Amino acid sequence: DTEVTQTPKHLVMGMTNKKSLKCEQHMGHRAMYWYKQKAKKPPELMFVYSYEKLSINESVPSRFSPECPNSSLLNLHLHALQPEDSALYLCASSQGGDIQGAFFGQGTRLTVV
Amino acid sequence: SQQGEEDPQALSIQEGENATMNCSYKTSINNLQWYRQNSGRGLVHLILIRSNEREKHSGRLRVTLDTSKKSSSLLITASRAADTASYFCATRDDYKLSFGAGTTVTVRA
Repeated sequence: DTEVTQTPKHLVMGMTNKKSLKCEQHMGHRAMYWYKQKAKKPPELMFVYSYEKLSINESVPSRFSPECPNSSLLNLHLHALQPEDSALYLCASSQGGDIQGAFFGQGTRLTVV
Repeated sequence: SQQGEEDPQALSIQEGENATMNCSYKTSINNLQWYRQNSGRGLVHLILIRSNEREKHSGRLRVTLDTSKKSSSLLITASRAADTASYFCATRDDYKLSFGAGTTVTVRA
C-alpha cells in the first residue's frame, strides 16, 4: 500500500465551526507533513511530525492544531478559521533520508464561509 | 516556507519537444526532489538527487544539481500531452521539505 489517504475530499465550514482533517498512511513512514496550498502557489509547509512528535511548526496560527495519534494517522483540527484559510490542505509522508521522496494525499479542498 | 525561485514560471511546448525548467534554492540541502502536480490534485514524486550527485536520469527525466550555484534543472524529453502539469522542485534539510514556486508546463498536441 503506497497511498496516503486524506478525508474528507471537500469541506465547507463556517467561521465558528470546529472540524478535523484526517490523513492515514500504512507505509511505515516516520515523518508526516501538513501543507497548505493556495491556487497557483506552491505548497507551504505547516507542520512536520517525526516519530509521532511535532518537530516543525512553521509559525502556524493556533486556530490550526495538529495531532498525531499514532504512526499511521495525522489529524489537523480546525477552529475559528477565517475565509483566507480557504485552500487545498495536503498531507504527506516520507521515510526520511535520501532514498525516496514524499508521498502525498489528494488533499482536502477547504472553503471557509 | 518557499525555498526559492523556479524559471520559467510557465512553459508551452509542442508534443515531442523537450521541456527544461530550472530551480534555485537558498539554504544547504540533503537532497533536491522534483514533483509533478496535475490541476488541483496531490503531488507526485518524480526524482530525487542527493547533494553529492551531479546528474540523475529516470526514464524521460534528467535532473542536474549544482550545489555551488544552489541550482537544479529538470529536463523532460519527448514530451507528451500527459506531461501537462505544474512541476515543483523541493529541497530537503533534515525533515523539512520546502517547495519552489513551480513551473506550469503545457504540452500542445
